[in-house]
Amino acid sequence: QKEVEQNSGPLSVPEGAIASLNCTYSDRGSQSFFWYRQYSGKSPELIMSIYSNGDKEDGRFTAQLNKASQYVSLLIRDSQPSDSATYLCAVNEREYGNKLVFGAGTILRVKS
Amino acid sequence: EPEVTQTPSHQVTQMGQEVILRCVPISNHLYFYWYRQILGQKVEFLVSFYNNEISEKSEIFDDQFSVERPDGSNFTLKIRSTKLEDSAMYFCASSISTTDTQYFGPGTRLTVL
Repeated sequence: QKEVEQNSGPLSVPEGAIASLNCTYSDRGSQSFFWYRQYSGKSPELIMSIYSNGDKEDGRFTAQLNKASQYVSLLIRDSQPSDSATYLCAVNEREYGNKLVFGAGTILRVKS
Repeated sequence: EPEVTQTPSHQVTQMGQEVILRCVPISNHLYFYWYRQILGQKVEFLVSFYNNEISEKSEIFDDQFSVERPDGSNFTLKIRSTKLEDSAMYFCASSISTTDTQYFGPGTRLTVL
């Protein structure tokens, strides 16, 4: 069974700080990696996608991918109370088609 | 900005009844998906659909489930005889390609009594 693992949290950071969210995955054949944000009772909303090793930056968000270590991370700079949500790591299991396998999510709380 | 839409937002049904959940994917997307999320649990893949065929399905997607694209815009999920354990949020998603981002609709909350 292919797995995506995340620390469930909650991760608490003060407003303006950097939040660091981590994810590991078991399938070495995975090709596409996504971070979604989910507010309570709402649907997953895309934050970042990353396909190649290294860093990818978009505004206050930076995704990092290390395929050798099977590790994906998301950094949120200048965290805001509105960033408080559950962050879902999702991996596209290319070998088996195009389904996304989700981690259980990390709850982030940004305190003002 | 184009978005995935789903109806209804909330469906309440009696155990054993049939339900149909509806989705309108983003218009230029070719791949369609259904996921579900039981309260407090992970988002789980149910089925993917491309070129009017199921391309992949999970163990959850048994004979009680079916999907259909009845016209050029709608994508439906039917549960033939609902069970209590089918109570969950059901999300429709669509993407342009197999590796591209999947965009999720707002979900249908299904409550089976």
